[in-house]
This record gives sequence, C-alpha cells and structure tokens, in this order.
Amino acid sequence: QQPVQSPQAVILREGEDAVINCSSSKALYSVHWYRQKHGEAPVFLMILLKGGEQKGHEKISASFNEKKQQSSLYLTASQLSYSGTYFCGTEGVNFGNEKLTFGTGTRLTIIP
Amino acid sequence: KAGVTQTPRYLIKTRGQQVTLSCSPISGHRSVSWYQQTPGQGLQFLFEYFSETQRNKGNFPGRFSGRQFSNSRSEMNVSTLELGDSALYLCASSLESGYSTDTQYFGPGTRLTVL
Repeated sequence: QQPVQSPQAVILREGEDAVINCSSSKALYSVHWYRQKHGEAPVFLMILLKGGEQKGHEKISASFNEKKQQSSLYLTASQLSYSGTYFCGTEGVNFGNEKLTFGTGTRLTIIP
Repeated sequence: KAGVTQTPRYLIKTRGQQVTLSCSPISGHRSVSWYQQTPGQGLQFLFEYFSETQRNKGNFPGRFSGRQFSNSRSEMNVSTLELGDSALYLCASSLESGYSTDTQYFGPGTRLTVL
C-alpha cells in the first residue's frame, strides 16, 4: 500500500511555487517528507501528525488532510537548492510491520 | 555530531555470492532501519533493529537478514545474490524505536551491483 505521489516530475523556474501531493489508501497517523539530491542521502524535511502537530524545516510548509489521507508539501519562491526528488513516507494508524511506507517520489527541477 | 555512516559505499558482486553491509548510526541513536532503493520501486523498508532486536520487518525474502550490535551498529546480509538485488541500500537511524515524531536520519547508502 505504497502512497501515491503527484506529480511524478515538475520543472519550475526559480521563484515559482510548487505543490507536491501524497495520497494513501490506508488510515494514516503521520506523514514524513524527505528530499533526496542525486547521489546523496534523503534529508528530513517535515513530519505531520494526525491531530495537527507538525515538526520540521522552517522554510517548508505542508498540510495533512486526515479525512482524505492526503498530504501536500508547499514550496514557495523556489530556489535552485530545492531541486531534488521529494518522497513522502506514511505511517498507518494500525502500526503495521513497516517503519515507513514511501511513495515513488516527485522529481523537482528548478531552472534559473 | 557525525552523521550516519555506511560502508562500503560501492560494491560489485556476482550472482550467488553473499554480501554484508555495515551501518553506524548517529551517536546516541538506538534504532536502525534498512531500506532498498531502486528506480522502479522507490524506497522499500527491509527491517528495523532496536536494542539488538529486530522490531519490524518488510516484505523481503529470507535471503535478506540483519543484526544489531550492543553499540547500535548494524549489519545487513544478503545471501545468494540475484540480479534484482542491485540497488542502493540505505540505513537510517533514529533515537528510539517509536513512530510518529521519530525523525529518521539517512546515511549515504551502499550502491550494490550484482553481475
């Protein structure tokens, strides 16, 4: 039950905004967002919890719709450094066997 | 504070061989999780260790195994390698073996190529 991310890829000019979506078919307790640059480790961005609590990067904002089991990551005034692949990882309310179930990623390219 | 380290960074093996990958978590972190990353499947959870015990396991065959030592360092072993095992293997450490607010910090990965 891998979460579905959309879009799969997006190209933006520096300064433009982007929204990356993550949708799950199971009831979620939390959504974790990571960014991975080519050849590097995924880097933690944000955790969103059922009930509204958030923890993460100051310059990143995100939302978690508990009724729809969806999360969106908002990147505003994008910078070249935002380029990379964004992954959402989901944790179900039933605490199954997996630590986190990750989506297949959204590749974001920022051009000058 | 030093990050998560993984050794080796690159590995080339042939089918049928076995391989052992190593992960040293951030100092003070007691939970280590392993993931397989491939272009087609993305990041897939292998298993998690906490206090030398496997706490969670993903849907991988028994050829994939792991262990954790008393200093929280972890090793992952893959026996009888198959071509499909070629992937980037990432480990991630976190403070506790809980969920929710536990931030996972990933290492740079070991790139395994099976010929």
